Amino acid sequence: DADVTQTPRNRITKTGKRIMLECSQTKGHDRMYWYRQDPGLGLRLIYYSFDVKDINKGEISDGYSVSRQAQAKFSLSLESAIPNQTALYFCATSEPDRTYGYTFGSGTRLTVV
Amino acid sequence: GENVEQHPSTLSVQEGDSAVIKCTYSDSASNYFPWYKQELGKRPQLIIDIRSNVGEKKDQRIAVTLNKTAKHFSLHITETQPEDSAVYFCAASNSGGGGADGLTFGKGTHLIIQP
Repeated sequence: DADVTQTPRNRITKTGKRIMLECSQTKGHDRMYWYRQDPGLGLRLIYYSFDVKDINKGEISDGYSVSRQAQAKFSLSLESAIPNQTALYFCATSEPDRTYGYTFGSGTRLTVV
Repeated sequence: GENVEQHPSTLSVQEGDSAVIKCTYSDSASNYFPWYKQELGKRPQLIIDIRSNVGEKKDQRIAVTLNKTAKHFSLHITETQPEDSAVYFCAASNSGGGGADGLTFGKGTHLIIQP
């Protein structure tokens, strides 16, 4: 089945380390997004990309960077991880002008110690 | 930008009763309003959505209503069952399923179905 895959599923890293979260999709969607989920805060948009040459900051982009390597791949990097970046991270894809909204990946649980 | 408020944060209902979750949004240009269900440890999944040219949409036991004048929309679940227990998120955007800025989500409602 066409899907959205995130790696790793779980990761523990130390403060100050660089870490990359990866997302790949087989749905053929142009639009890709990175969200973080914190208890009681819902899902907040970090970055989004409407095609390989289009990268946009979301609501909470500070401390994060992204790379759209291909239509199917969108990576999120934490250049120097800090404890308050401990969260559940979701990648999502969508197709414009469709009624089925986002397809989310399975999520990456990141802990910064 | 868009701001979405969602209430209540926790809702406990008896099995078989109805549940209603309400959201308000701030951007009058928003025209797409999906609802997602997230079971424990799983990814959010789309359960129903509505566009601004429609006032109500129903799919079996779930329905969504939209009041564009008041800028609020609601999720209604009838005849609740144990498998309805989950966190529900509302969202809004101003264009299709992607939107110029992506979806803006509410903070979520933890729905608990009491046996």
